Amino acid sequence: GIQVEQSPPDLILQEGANSTLRCNFSDSVNNLQWFHQNPWGQLINLFYIPSGTKQNGRLSATTVATERYSLLYISSSQTTDSGVYFCAVDNYGQNFVFGPGTRLSVLP
Amino acid sequence: NAGVTQTPKFRVLKTGQSMTLLCAQDMNHEYMYWYRQDPGMGLRLIHYSVGEGTTAKGEVPDGYNVSRLKKQNFLLGLESAAPSQTSVYFCASSPPGLAVNEQFFGPGTRLTVL
Repeated sequence: GIQVEQSPPDLILQEGANSTLRCNFSDSVNNLQWFHQNPWGQLINLFYIPSGTKQNGRLSATTVATERYSLLYISSSQTTDSGVYFCAVDNYGQNFVFGPGTRLSVLP
Repeated sequence: NAGVTQTPKFRVLKTGQSMTLLCAQDMNHEYMYWYRQDPGMGLRLIHYSVGEGTTAKGEVPDGYNVSRLKKQNFLLGLESAAPSQTSVYFCASSPPGLAVNEQFFGPGTRLTVL
């Protein structure tokens, strides 16, 4: 089956810094989604982005499906950005395959 | 809209006990899913449903059963709970399409099996 890798596995930032999270996948996909899991365990939809670029406030994402990767950019990070960021891809099936996540800690 | 809701939020079981987790969605979505998340890991699909009356196995279906008697509800059952089923369970739903569209997740159910 399709493999999903995320890097880095862990990231520590000072408040105000910028960061880039990466998601690589091993096969063609037609859908991709980024989630933020907050420290209370809630999964929050960030982007539904099978291709192209989207922006929402301080966050933006770019997916290049032909090269099998997606990037999530966080600018001017805040402590509330802490948590785990997952990407999930749909490999033409009926469900998503999740990556292992990037754990982000933003320090005040 | 409440979105996707899950009942209960927390549960502790003894080995061998049974229980049912309820997922409800009010978005008229055709597709519904049950995932489990173990500590430090991503989510893994247990079972899913592409419509009322239909279910299918996901990546880790053993030890679980599901039912989709009504479009808005998706039930996950554990007939004889085992400690290996200690996990956080998430339900999700999505609209229909040729491929899976955006998924919307519930708040999760934390289950501990002693």
